[in-house]
Amino acid sequence: EADIYQTPRYLVIGTGKKITLECSQTMGHDKMYWYQQDPGMELHLIHYSYGVNSTEKGDLSSESTVSRIRTEHFPLTLESARPSHTSQYLCASSAVPGQGTRSYNEQFFGPGTRLTVL
Amino acid sequence: AQKITQTQPGMFVQEKEAVTLDCTYDTSDQSYGLFWYKQPSSGEMIFLIYQGSYDEQNATEGRYSLNFQKARKSANLVISASQLGDSAMYFCAMRRNTGNQFYFGTGTSLTVIP
Repeated sequence: EADIYQTPRYLVIGTGKKITLECSQTMGHDKMYWYQQDPGMELHLIHYSYGVNSTEKGDLSSESTVSRIRTEHFPLTLESARPSHTSQYLCASSAVPGQGTRSYNEQFFGPGTRLTVL
Repeated sequence: AQKITQTQPGMFVQEKEAVTLDCTYDTSDQSYGLFWYKQPSSGEMIFLIYQGSYDEQNATEGRYSLNFQKARKSANLVISASQLGDSAMYFCAMRRNTGNQFYFGTGTSLTVIP
């Protein structure tokens, strides 16, 4: 059973608000990821981290920012939300080779946050 | 550049029948991993099956099997004895073992008909 959590699950807010989407994992994984996904569409990688104090932008340009101060925590922040940010945001983590208990090193996903900006 | 292609945006299958979801990938790497995930309407991503690039046998996990054809760079998912609960989006993904980056396909929406 994957131990990766996201809060809130659903969020409806007005334009211009600052929001933080939380993501935590208890598996000790070094690698964490944020994906943005519109309903029924593909996943777009927007941020990833290979460890504490390491963050990189993904393939899809995003106005959001992330931080990685602790291994288990990878929050995503939008300073000023807009309707174009309406989407589902999925957080994931994976072990590096040799760190996990098996060789798959698959990505474990959180339940997602469905964000609606009015 | 790495690329995952899923050419079937939507598929329908009769309950209890088998269905194959296609996935091809493009990489020059020799070492990589291939994954399939299921995403029900609730939104979570569920890991189904894994195939390593050096695995000679096709992976199987219960009703799921992966038809791995390395020379053709294809990794099709076969679901046997479809159930209504199999209705979902299915994503093929590849992980580069160098750098551990993941790449996802655009997904296939599977509908199981009673």
